[in-house]
Amino acid sequence: GENVEQHPSTLSVQEGDSAVIKCTYSDSASNYFPWYKQELGKRPQLIIDIRSNVGEKKDQRIAVTLNKTAKHFSLHITETQPEDSAVYFCAASLAGGTYKYIFGTGTRLKVLA
Amino acid sequence: DGGITQSPKYLFRKEGQNVTLSCEQNLNHDAMYWYRQDPGQGLRLIYYSQIVNDFQKGDIAEGYSVSREKKESFPLTVTSAQKNPTAFYLCASSQTASGANVLTFGAGSRLTVL
Repeated sequence: GENVEQHPSTLSVQEGDSAVIKCTYSDSASNYFPWYKQELGKRPQLIIDIRSNVGEKKDQRIAVTLNKTAKHFSLHITETQPEDSAVYFCAASLAGGTYKYIFGTGTRLKVLA
Repeated sequence: DGGITQSPKYLFRKEGQNVTLSCEQNLNHDAMYWYRQDPGQGLRLIYYSQIVNDFQKGDIAEGYSVSREKKESFPLTVTSAQKNPTAFYLCASSQTASGANVLTFGAGSRLTVL
C-alpha cells in the first residue's frame, strides 16, 4: 500500500546549525505535501506545505524541496533555535479528490544550546 | 484557542469498557478525521467523515466507531473490541475532503487502559 518513509527518526543539532529531514513517498499520484510540527504535549501545527507543481518553497528559516521524479521531499531549517525542538511529521496526500493523508513516522529534532 | 476542541484531555479506562472521545469544531469545515498516534508510528487514520451522516473507515478502524449527526461534531467511541487502545487520539478537520486542503488538529486526548 501507499506509505511515506521519514528519516532520520531523531536529529540533534547545535543551535545555529541547519537541520534537514527527508521523506520518500510511494504513490506518484500524490500532489500535496505538508509538514507539521508537534511540540511536546501539543497539537500538530502546519508549518509549511508544497504542491506538486512547485519544486521549492521558502518561509523565513524554513524551506521545503520536492523532487517528483525521485518521489522525495525534504524540510530544511536554517539557523536553528531551541524553540525549533519538536517532532516534525511529513505527509503526502493522494490526488483525485480523496481525503487521505499518509503521514511519516516523525522526526524528533533537538536543538542544543 | 478556538477551532477544534477535544475532550477529555486525559481518560482512564478499565478493560472491557467503552469510552467516547468528543471532538467539536467551529471552523465550518466539511470533513473531520480521527487519528491515532503511537510512539514511532506517526499518525494513523481511524475514521473520517466528508459530510454529515456519512463516514468511512480508515486504516485501523477495527474496535472503533463514530457518528456524524452534526457538522460540528465527530465523536469517537473506543470499544472493548479494541485490543490495544492506550494511545494519543487526535481529531482533525479540513474544509473539504480533498487532499489539497490543510488539516487543523485538536489538542488530543490521551487514553490509558488500566
